[in-house]
Amino acid sequence: AQSVTQLDSQVPVFEEAPVELRCNYSSSVSVYLFWYVQYPNQGLQLLLKYLSGSTLVKGINGFEAEFNKSQTSFHLRKPSVHISDTAEYFCAVRGGGKLIFGQGTELSVKP
Amino acid sequence: NAGVTQTPKFQVLKTGQSMTLQCAQDMNHEYMSWYRQDPGMGLRLIHYSVGAGITDQGEVPNGYNVSRSTTEDFPLRLLSAAPSQTSVYFCASSYSSFSTDIVEAFFGQGTRLTVV
Repeated sequence: AQSVTQLDSQVPVFEEAPVELRCNYSSSVSVYLFWYVQYPNQGLQLLLKYLSGSTLVKGINGFEAEFNKSQTSFHLRKPSVHISDTAEYFCAVRGGGKLIFGQGTELSVKP
Repeated sequence: NAGVTQTPKFQVLKTGQSMTLQCAQDMNHEYMSWYRQDPGMGLRLIHYSVGAGITDQGEVPNGYNVSRSTTEDFPLRLLSAAPSQTSVYFCASSYSSFSTDIVEAFFGQGTRLTVV
């Protein structure tokens, strides 16, 4: 069965600092991984996805993630965050026609 | 484009009442899902459908029913509401490619349900 674990429930960071949000996955089949963002009182929006090919995936708003098969990880990174990046971030893995989500990481960017 | 539309946006129910959360998509997607979001627990899958007439249970199906009579609609029914069902509910639809069974999920704006 597929599953994901987000290793940090909250990540506080100062504006313009780099950030990494960690995600580990478990899957017995081909791996397809996603990162979604949820701004306050809104639905989820796709940031980026890994389906195949290059292990470094670039997404919207300057985010990128690296698929690491040996470490079963799919960490999300941004070199310099902005106040507007404050949101909750979800890692997800696909399997059997559905997405399985992690518990979420609250990113709080402080001035 | 409307995308995924959920109604209502807010609802307050009394314990024991029943109601249906509506979800409609206009993208001709095969897959549709219902999730509930609770603090610290992420999104948990309630029910999902891989096509009209086909539904299956997710990880937290108890107390909820679904049906999928058309590609566009995937309503979620609460048979007898309980305070434990107080949550934010999200509907999602997805398309697939030839080589994968899901490429991207599109989410509605959510329904905030309170059961008193």
